[in-house]
Amino acid sequence: DAKTTQPPSMDCAEGRAANLPCNHSTISGNEYVYWYRQIHSQGPQYIIHGLKNNETNEMASLIITEDRKSSTLILPHATLRDTAVYYCIVAKNAGNMLTFGGGTRLMVKP
Amino acid sequence: DAGVIQSPRHEVTEMGQEVTLRCKLISGHNSLFWYRQTMMRGLELLIYFNNNVPIDDSGMPEDRFSAKMPNASFSTLKIQPSEPRDSAVYFCASSFLGTDNSPLHFGNGTRLTVT
Repeated sequence: DAKTTQPPSMDCAEGRAANLPCNHSTISGNEYVYWYRQIHSQGPQYIIHGLKNNETNEMASLIITEDRKSSTLILPHATLRDTAVYYCIVAKNAGNMLTFGGGTRLMVKP
Repeated sequence: DAGVIQSPRHEVTEMGQEVTLRCKLISGHNSLFWYRQTMMRGLELLIYFNNNVPIDDSGMPEDRFSAKMPNASFSTLKIQPSEPRDSAVYFCASSFLGTDNSPLHFGNGTRLTVT
C-alpha cells in the first residue's frame, strides 16, 4: 500500500472548518483514500473514503486532487469533540489490512 | 448493533503470567484484526483472520503471542508468558470482506499493563 504524509499537529477554532491535508504521491490506480480518527482512549473510527471523486457524508467531506496525489479532509464546523488524531490511509480495500501512520493530532480550541 | 466488544477494558498482571484478551466481532462480519498501540510504535497490525482462518500473522512479535478464532464471532489473543514490554493498548477490529468495501470497525481496546 502507498505511504501517506500528514502534518503531525494542527489547531482549529471551534465552529470553523478544519482542513486536514494528506499527501499520497505514490498512490496506485486501484487504491482508495481512507480517513479514520481516534479520540482519546477509544478505538479508531471510520470517517470517509474515496477513489477519485469528492465525497461527503454526515461527518466530513473528502476532496481528492485530480492527479490523486493528495487529499483534504474537511470538517465543516469543528466542535471540541472533534479533537482527535486523524489518520489518512491508502489501501485497496477498506475492510482489509490497514497500515496506520502517525496521523495528525487536531486540537479544536474554544 | 453493539459494535466490536473487547474484554477486559483494563488488565494489570505480573511478568510471567498468562494474559488472555477477548474480542466479539460485529454480527455478519467475516474478518478479524488484532492491533497493538504504543506511544513509541503507534498502531501495529499483529494478525488478521478471514473466515476464521489466519491469513497474515507476520506482525505477531514472537512465539509468546498466539491468536485464535474458535468460532465465527469470537477471538482471543493470548500472551504467555507476559513481559513488561508487552504493555500496550490492544485493539480488535472486524469487517466484512466481500464485493463491497466495508470499513474496519474497532473496539475500544484492552489496556494491558505488565509489571
